[in-house]
Amino acid sequence: EVQLVESGGGLVQPGRSLKLSCAASGFTFSSFPMAWVRQAPKKGLEWVASISSGGGGTYYPDSVKGRFTISRDNAKSTLYLQMDSLRSEDTASYYCASILRVYPDYWGQGVMVTVSS
Amino acid sequence: DIQMTQSPASLSASLEEIVTITCQASQDIGNWLAWYQQKPGKSPQLLIYDATSLADGVPSRFSGSRSGTQYSLKISRLQVEDIGSYYCQQAHSNPLTFGSGTKLEIK
Repeated sequence: EVQLVESGGGLVQPGRSLKLSCAASGFTFSSFPMAWVRQAPKKGLEWVASISSGGGGTYYPDSVKGRFTISRDNAKSTLYLQMDSLRSEDTASYYCASILRVYPDYWGQGVMVTVSS
Repeated sequence: DIQMTQSPASLSASLEEIVTITCQASQDIGNWLAWYQQKPGKSPQLLIYDATSLADGVPSRFSGSRSGTQYSLKISRLQVEDIGSYYCQQAHSNPLTFGSGTKLEIK
């Protein structure tokens, strides 16, 4: 059974940093791309970052480019999201997702990030 | 960026009724489209991929179709466990974009 468990969320002041982790199990983590998707309170879904299976390829939308960094440790089956220069508009639930078949097909339970002074 | 225009924003339907949700892509995305269900307080779940293929474990009352750049999700006989929000997502090109969502309620 595929399991994705996020951690590292919390309350952080604007301009500060936070690093999310996602522990994966139940599939060959090193063989598949991964992604982070976020959802602001009462809002829709937004793709935040994705990374290739080997980690050499990454993608970010303009809204987070230059501030967020996705990475992975295939030996530990863990995905990360380093978030710097956080803004109030980054407040959201952040979901880790596996991309076994082009689309995010398995999702974690999500972790809340609140950016506020 | 490819825009996905989803409608309706909300929908109230009776049990056993047929429900249809649509997404209009701003340009050709082929069959690179998925549908997700998000139940209240839960994470999204993949329902349909490649526009028409049913994901593992998804009930057969869910189906997807395509007509040009318009994509539809149909629930053939609405059940109480189908309440929640539904999102389309295109995987044709970056940035990968979602529709704005449809909130489905039971009448």
